Amino acid sequence: EVQLVQSGAEVKKPGESLRISCKGSGYSFTSYWISWVRQMPGKGLEWMGRIDPSDSYTNYSPSFQGHVTISADKSISTAYLQWSSLKASDTAMYYCASTEGGTNWFDPWGQGTLVTVSS
Amino acid sequence: QSALTQPRSVSGSPGQSVTISCTGTSSDVGGYNYVSWYQQHPGKAPKLMIYDVSKRPSGVPDRFSGSKSGNTASLTISGLQAEDEADYYCCSYAGSLPVFGGGTKLTVL
Repeated sequence: EVQLVQSGAEVKKPGESLRISCKGSGYSFTSYWISWVRQMPGKGLEWMGRIDPSDSYTNYSPSFQGHVTISADKSISTAYLQWSSLKASDTAMYYCASTEGGTNWFDPWGQGTLVTVSS
Repeated sequence: QSALTQPRSVSGSPGQSVTISCTGTSSDVGGYNYVSWYQQHPGKAPKLMIYDVSKRPSGVPDRFSGSKSGNTASLTISGLQAEDEADYYCCSYAGSLPVFGGGTKLTVL
């Protein structure tokens, strides 16, 4: 069974750095792109960017380019979403989701990681 | 890249059919047969319900169907059931990057 398991909830202060993770299992990790999707409280889904774990090639939404960094370590089947300096407006649920090579949909999804940024 | 346009809410009684629209442009919905739909229950991760406009993943009831005409895609749920009450999101590719709709809350009366 293809499964994505994300790291646990985080509470951070503005200006702090953070890296959250998404571990894949049950499939060849390098055969699926991993995307990150933001959902702010009470709001909709926003695609942030994605990575091809086979070569770490990344694409970002213009809205998130320069604000976050997506990376992956294929040796441990894990993708990451990273901030260097958090803002209160980064408070949201973050999901990772996989896309099999050559397809154009997201399945499966991770369970989500809640990030709370508050002073 | 603008979000695709969905109605904020729709509702229907058990057994009825409802349709949720997803309107984009010729650069996204109208330009590609890459529309997918996701169901999200409160506090849960989204779940794929339809891909490539009208295809259903295994395990998704055939009460769920998808279609597209021009720049508007649609998700139709027939024989509404209480468990269908959820938020629904469409997604399309715009060039090489995906864009989501704003989401629609389905209420089963």
